[in-house]
Amino acid sequence: GAGVSQSPRYKVAKRGQDVALRCDPISGHVSLFWYQQALGQGPEFLTYFQNEAQLDKSGLPSDRFFAERPEGSVSTLKIQRTQQEDSAVYLCASSSAGTLGEKLFFGSGTQLSVL
Amino acid sequence: LAKTTQPISMDSYEGQEVNITCSHNNIATNDYITWYQQFPSQGPRFIIQGYKTKVTNEVASLFIPADRKSSTLSLPRVSLSDTAVYYCLVASGGYNKLIFGAGTRLAVHP
Repeated sequence: GAGVSQSPRYKVAKRGQDVALRCDPISGHVSLFWYQQALGQGPEFLTYFQNEAQLDKSGLPSDRFFAERPEGSVSTLKIQRTQQEDSAVYLCASSSAGTLGEKLFFGSGTQLSVL
Repeated sequence: LAKTTQPISMDSYEGQEVNITCSHNNIATNDYITWYQQFPSQGPRFIIQGYKTKVTNEVASLFIPADRKSSTLSLPRVSLSDTAVYYCLVASGGYNKLIFGAGTRLAVHP
């Protein structure tokens, strides 16, 4: 399809494990965002890429969270030594330009459960 | 960053018009007002965006008064499938960084 694709759709991890979440944005989209959404809450901003450059990582909750987009397309969000409070839906969004007012297209998210 | 305030929940019935009002008192000159819709187990979906006055598309209308301190999303003749969470956002940061609040949970009843 032509939308934003995220994988896996569901991930169960034991506390202390490392996880990697993948995002395939819409082809050609310059901007890519990661959001974290806890149950019953609105999405919270984690980080922003413009092409391969990570321009804003102010929302990453700790140094256990790391995101990359090495070739300016696919992005990976990595969480090291997962904790129970990391359980949430992780949403990826992309847009065609890094300008104000540009529409964001979201994927369906990866639901992470840390046991 | 401009903060938005909107009702936590609303109820309506099929066929009625629904108006959801959002307050954004400290909106900046360059900020756009954007509304997203989210169904369970899906990511948010863009509905409509505006800067001032009125914007209409095939899904909804957006009314923005001259002072831009509030906006109203209008959904005509809602159906059960319009049951969702609706987010009012003010784009900020220069690169369309969206700050979501808790949104308004709209329940449409038969």
